[in-house]
Amino acid sequence: TQLLEQSPQFLSIQEGENLTVYCNSSSVFSSLQWYRQEPGEGPVLLVTVVTGGEVKKLKRLTFQFGDARKDSSLHITAAQPGDTGLYLCAGPPVGSTLGRLYFGRGTQLTVWP
Amino acid sequence: NAGVTQTPKFQVLKTGQSMTLQCAQDMNHEYMSWYRQDPGMGLRLIHYSVGAGITDQGEVPNGYNVSRSTTEDFPLRLLSAAPSQTSVYFCASSYSFVGGRSYTFGSGTRLTVV
Repeated sequence: TQLLEQSPQFLSIQEGENLTVYCNSSSVFSSLQWYRQEPGEGPVLLVTVVTGGEVKKLKRLTFQFGDARKDSSLHITAAQPGDTGLYLCAGPPVGSTLGRLYFGRGTQLTVWP
Repeated sequence: NAGVTQTPKFQVLKTGQSMTLQCAQDMNHEYMSWYRQDPGMGLRLIHYSVGAGITDQGEVPNGYNVSRSTTEDFPLRLLSAAPSQTSVYFCASSYSFVGGRSYTFGSGTRLTVV
């Protein structure tokens, strides 16, 4: 059973379009993180959201943590080819051992010029 | 700073062979972990360590051993490789902050068992 469900699994869009990726769970999380992974490399941390309802912005990327801390979203405005990659959400459920991280299966984003 | 260094980058093993995947970090992080990444499965935790001399099992520990004799190093050993262990392996180290942990991943080892 996957603790974090990400949708969509694949997303293929044209440069300039907007998109949203979702990360959902039935469990409450202490925090949620978003990573981006490029081919042949390890995941790189983009952001951590900690408080329910929190919104963080990183240039054209907007991250939101749900009020109940069970879900999160990543919104990209005016996507660019450089945004192409695998986006992963991850987090420690409340009560998990020493902040152990659980990952979603990822959203593969392709942005065409 | 080098961050997290994994070696080798690629490896091909025959079924039944043993090998050790190396992982070293220079950030003085207490917490280190090993994940495997398979298509459509995301990253799954194999083993983790909260400090030198302390290790514990993750979601998929069978077929793997670890040890943590120093803060810097956390090798992963495959005692008798099986085709089901074909995967990309990532080592990560992390530090804690209020509300969670910040993870740094290595660039991975792509292992094929034939």
